[in-house]
Amino acid sequence: GAVVSQHPSWVICKSGTSVKIECRSLDFQATTMFWYRQFPKQSLMLMATSNEGSKATYEQGVEKDKFLINHASLTLSTLTVTSAHPEDSSFYICSARAPGSNYGYTFGSGTRLTVV
Amino acid sequence: SQKIEQNSEALNIQEGKTATLTCNYTNYSPAYLQWYRQDPGRGPVFLLLIRENEKEKRKERLKVTFDTTLKQSLFHITASQPADSATYLCARGRSGGYQKVTFGIGTKLQVIP
Repeated sequence: GAVVSQHPSWVICKSGTSVKIECRSLDFQATTMFWYRQFPKQSLMLMATSNEGSKATYEQGVEKDKFLINHASLTLSTLTVTSAHPEDSSFYICSARAPGSNYGYTFGSGTRLTVV
Repeated sequence: SQKIEQNSEALNIQEGKTATLTCNYTNYSPAYLQWYRQDPGRGPVFLLLIRENEKEKRKERLKVTFDTTLKQSLFHITASQPADSATYLCARGRSGGYQKVTFGIGTKLQVIP
């Protein structure tokens, strides 16, 4: 089946530093990938849509200069949390839709970010 | 706005029984609904997709229904097992080339041995 690999699975960083999260589609090409954030006991909230070869589309209220998205190839999208603060601590998850109309979205395993 | 509502309270069920989870949506019917399973600290795993013109979809012990009159989808797990314990998410989407999915908060299922 379709696999999306996300790395790292967890990261701890100091306040003010930047963190990069990678999301790769391993056995299919993804022109579009989605980045979500999930706080404890809350639903997944879409942050942005990553489009290969073009600018990402951000959801309302998401700072594009803080959450930099790069989708340089058909199998790789990266999310960089710049100048991280403790309130950015959350669970970040990427997803993509594999070809086939009966497929749902394939998610990465998620990245637990803790900013101290 | 298009909302997905799931009972955020945990559902406890005895092993072997059928678990039924509810997903209600607001406004217009989505082109499809999806159900996912999420384990703690992991990304969601896709289970089933049901389209607006389908009343029922099955996959092994899983069954999903789509009632556009009630604006509701039911997710059933028959012969439930402790390994089925997880949070189950409902999501709605729209047809078209660009598909944005809205997730519910999920219902935590606990199957008791």
